[in-house]
Amino acid sequence: NAGVTQTPKFQVLKTGQSMTLQCAQDMNHNSMYWYRQDPGMGLRLIYYSASEGTTDKGEVPNGYNVSRLNKREFSLRLESAAPSQTSVYFCASSPRTGGLYEQYFGPGTRLTVT
Amino acid sequence: GQQLNQSPQSMFIQEGEDVSMNCTSSSIFNTWLWYKQDPGEGPVLLIALYKAGELTSNGRLTAQFGITRKDSFLNISASIPSDVGIYFCAGRQGGSEKLVFGKGTKLTVNP
Repeated sequence: NAGVTQTPKFQVLKTGQSMTLQCAQDMNHNSMYWYRQDPGMGLRLIYYSASEGTTDKGEVPNGYNVSRLNKREFSLRLESAAPSQTSVYFCASSPRTGGLYEQYFGPGTRLTVT
Repeated sequence: GQQLNQSPQSMFIQEGEDVSMNCTSSSIFNTWLWYKQDPGEGPVLLIALYKAGELTSNGRLTAQFGITRKDSFLNISASIPSDVGIYFCAGRQGGSEKLVFGKGTKLTVNP
């Protein structure tokens, strides 16, 4: 089991460029999440998907879009990157069945927007 | 939005010492989770707690779900250098799909 995988690991964008961060999990989990982590701010939820075919906004959704492609994959898109989106992005997944709500995280994507 | 107050923010200890940290909220939670994050890595789940009063161990780590359901505690016994990192608490309220995270406790262990 690879768990949760994310690509790319590092990315540098210029202001206004677009990109898609990819996330996949092989644990047959129902729910998937995208977070950003900034110094002193902890982990903040951007979007989540409780099940295949559904997505919902989290705490900081502005400037992002998501797609739950299938049960395994959940992508995060920046349409027009801004310096304020420089951050470390983590994808997570959760069983969300049988009363199990723990989330398992990927290794992260370190994004710099210049 | 909902916040978890995690303390202390940082700790500097000697190898072999025991460590205690906690997480508190003004609201009730149904699930408490503890994670550790090493530099440049994603958070790794250490312990999950699902019942008030529950005490669960994972090696030298022990976590408790507070009786009031508004707090949780993590203890590390006989710390070693590889315990260095940031420890996060997270909680889930009933009916929610989402976790609320604390801002972390940064642990430094001096050999």
